[in-house]
Amino acid sequence: GEDVEQSLFLSVREGDSSVINCTYTDSSSTYLYWYKQEPGAGLQLLTYIFSNMDMKQDQRLTVLLNKKDKHLSLRIADTQTGDSAIYFCAESQNTGFQKLVFGTGTRLLVSP
Amino acid sequence: DAGVIQSPRHEVTEMGQEVTLRCKPISGHDYLFWYRQTMMRGLELLIYFNNNVPIDDSGMPEDRFSAKMPNASFSTLKIQPSEPRDSAVYFCASALNTIYFGEGSWLTVV
Repeated sequence: GEDVEQSLFLSVREGDSSVINCTYTDSSSTYLYWYKQEPGAGLQLLTYIFSNMDMKQDQRLTVLLNKKDKHLSLRIADTQTGDSAIYFCAESQNTGFQKLVFGTGTRLLVSP
Repeated sequence: DAGVIQSPRHEVTEMGQEVTLRCKPISGHDYLFWYRQTMMRGLELLIYFNNNVPIDDSGMPEDRFSAKMPNASFSTLKIQPSEPRDSAVYFCASALNTIYFGEGSWLTVV
């Protein structure tokens, strides 16, 4: 079945770049997503990428997709303390969001 | 729009009691999802509806869990009887093109 894996924890200093990595096993994944979860809150969609793309940039966020290696990354430039949260990678197939499979989440801690 | 609205936000109940979680999706969205989040298992899709019809309930853990969507603006997730291992955060989400999550219902069964 599908499996999505992430490292559990990342710590960076304010102003540095953060890179959160994700690997997935399902080669038929069509859409790949990044969600952010702040303490006590639901999941907020940050960005997504289609599997036929290599890169997507949205302000401070850059998503890189290596389809051959089934590797997805999220780079946050100029990381701020407000970026501290749990970041989830998720994948789905063909028809989009119906069967989102989430990774375990990466807890990002940004220190001043 | 107010977003996906869930109630209650927090509930503590005793083992064996019935628990009902409620969800109001975003108006106009035709998909509704129930997810469960625990430390051990992460985020799991329990069930989802399209146009009020259950499409896939393969994630519902057992018969103690049931979900309904009587109309386009309301859904419930019921656990009867509840057990301590049901303690988790239950998220409702709705979608038209993009999934939007509610703030979650934090359930503790003691």
